[in-house]
Amino acid sequence: EDKVVQSPLSLVVHEGDTVTLNCSYEVTNFRSLLWYKQEKKAPTFLFMLTSSGIEKKSGRLSSILDKKELFSILNITATQTGDSAIYLCAVGSNTGNQFYFGTGTSLTVIP
Amino acid sequence: EAGVAQSPRYKIIEKRQSVAFWCNPISGHATLYWYQQILGQGPKLLIQFQNNGVVDDSQLPKDRFSAERLKGVDSTLKIQPAKLEDSAVYLCASSLDLVVSEQFFGPGTRLTVL
Repeated sequence: EDKVVQSPLSLVVHEGDTVTLNCSYEVTNFRSLLWYKQEKKAPTFLFMLTSSGIEKKSGRLSSILDKKELFSILNITATQTGDSAIYLCAVGSNTGNQFYFGTGTSLTVIP
Repeated sequence: EAGVAQSPRYKIIEKRQSVAFWCNPISGHATLYWYQQILGQGPKLLIQFQNNGVVDDSQLPKDRFSAERLKGVDSTLKIQPAKLEDSAVYLCASSLDLVVSEQFFGPGTRLTVL
């Protein structure tokens, strides 16, 4: 059964801390892995990863994919209260063009 | 560019009633997705359209859910009759095509079934 597992389920940190969010997957015929940020509304796109070892970076956020070990990490450095959100990992499959989402990691950044 | 539009934003109905949701994707986006997101869970793909054709509806409960995208632009998702467990946020997303994976999500419709 195809699945995406995220850890931890929730995380509480202080402003300025660095966090690492994890996403592991077992998906047939992998196509891509996507990270989304979800606040009190719809998910907003952060990164799309298709190749191992190539880091994607946007400001304080970065992500990398390991297709051999079937996982990805999302790093956030110097966290701010505005980073508080649920971070979703999704994996796209070429089989039936399905997308599988994890349950998300809830991040709370305390001032 | 205008984003994905959805309506209504909120809907409260009683079980066994019917409800319909509407989605207008980003202009030019060929692929449209409907997701169900139950509180505390990640979105679950219900159905995926490429233009006006269904690509995948394997997780759509077809005994009560239906969806269409007749002209290949906007789409409607219907539930008839609704059950308590259908309470969720229904998200619509669109992407340029099947190959381009980046999806843009609408604001969602929060459905409460009493």
